[in-house]
Amino acid sequence: DAGITQSPRHKVTETGTPVTLRCHQTENHRYMYWYRQDPGHGLRLIHYSYGVKDTDKGEVSDGYSVSRSKTEDFLLTLESATSSQTSVYFCAISDMGGQNQPQHFGDGTRLSIL
Amino acid sequence: EDQVTQSPEALRLQEGESSSLNCSYTVSGLRGLFWYRQDPGKGPEFLFTLYSAGEEKEKERLKATLTKKESFLHITAPKPEDSATYLCAVQALGNTGKLIFGQGTTLQVKP
Repeated sequence: DAGITQSPRHKVTETGTPVTLRCHQTENHRYMYWYRQDPGHGLRLIHYSYGVKDTDKGEVSDGYSVSRSKTEDFLLTLESATSSQTSVYFCAISDMGGQNQPQHFGDGTRLSIL
Repeated sequence: EDQVTQSPEALRLQEGESSSLNCSYTVSGLRGLFWYRQDPGKGPEFLFTLYSAGEEKEKERLKATLTKKESFLHITAPKPEDSATYLCAVQALGNTGKLIFGQGTTLQVKP
């Protein structure tokens, strides 16, 4: 299994509070991704990173920000959480994102916003 | 717009009853098509990558095929442990690493 750790695994918080999810990898892969998974929508890309301090937006980036200060860590922040951001969040990594390399996923963070 | 549609949404099979899952896609130039398996409470687990029409890949009871418009995941003589959600995703040319996922097919295999 790819060395990907997501934390926390579960979180319940209130509307309006900031939330940060962490993805840690031990594979030294260049590319890291954040997805959310919702019933009826499948997996949708939020943000991704192609190197330290290099990030870009995905399909559903509004309300989210990311940071990558070192290769192994990719943080996803909800600045002011809303109920529509209740979801399961997955981190993924790949060695060379533009070269057909598969992405490998962590086991997710289940986030509930009340 | 790049799009992936999987069918059926759910499939129930008896152990040993072979079947196929479908993944139809529209993409502005295909770089790769990926199949994943997802178990409840877990992240997607990579199964196959297909790059060009006519390509086939096999792993145990699973076989993936690709045409210019769709991919099939054939399951031969399934076992209860094959029960999972199967996800299909495409990567378009020029999109660095971005995957577009279908909504998945949930397979249940009964003993």
